Amino acid sequence: GDSVTQMEGPVTLSEEAFLTINCTYTATGYPSLFWYVQYPGEGLQLLLKATKADDKGSNKGFEATYRKETTSFHLEKGSVQVSDSAVYFCALSPNTGGFKTIFGAGTRLFVKA
Amino acid sequence: EAEVAQSPRYKITEKSQAVAFWCDPISGHATLYWYRQILGQGPELLVQFQDESVVDDSQLPKDRFSAERLKGVDSTLKIQPAELGDSAMYLCASTQTGTDQETQYFGPGTRLLVL
Repeated sequence: GDSVTQMEGPVTLSEEAFLTINCTYTATGYPSLFWYVQYPGEGLQLLLKATKADDKGSNKGFEATYRKETTSFHLEKGSVQVSDSAVYFCALSPNTGGFKTIFGAGTRLFVKA
Repeated sequence: EAEVAQSPRYKITEKSQAVAFWCDPISGHATLYWYRQILGQGPELLVQFQDESVVDDSQLPKDRFSAERLKGVDSTLKIQPAELGDSAMYLCASTQTGTDQETQYFGPGTRLLVL
């Protein structure tokens, strides 16, 4: 079945460091891909998304490119801030009707000042 | 900005007791989802509603879990009897009708601890 695999955390970085969180997926057809972020004590919120191959989603300095050839959607940010500390979830929606979303296990990011 | 409301935010109960969680989606969102998020894992879908109808409850443990959305607006998720393994965060989400039906809007969740 459809699934999402993302790198295990926690990831600990110093402020202004470069961030990459790897995400790969397994799906039939052409799913839409998402990154959601969960700050402490809150629900998930959409960070960015891409709906077709080679699309780049971007928001708040984060970006990810839909790579169908490698079935990947890696999250990157050039310079992280302490306020980026959160759990990041990669997800897919199979586009087979019903708009079901399948989430990865999440990657916790700690950014030190 | 419209938000998904959930209550209570925290619930502590003893095993074998009954618990209920409430969710009010963003106004006008026809599709509502209940997820369970075990600590350190991603959300897993329990049940999906389209208006008042269940679209997908294949992962709902129906011997102890029930969900309803009688008027197609707010929803209640019930567990009876609760078990130790039910300790988790229960998240509600909704999606809009029309454009961008894939983006899920989440509430803050209800954290359940079963003792």
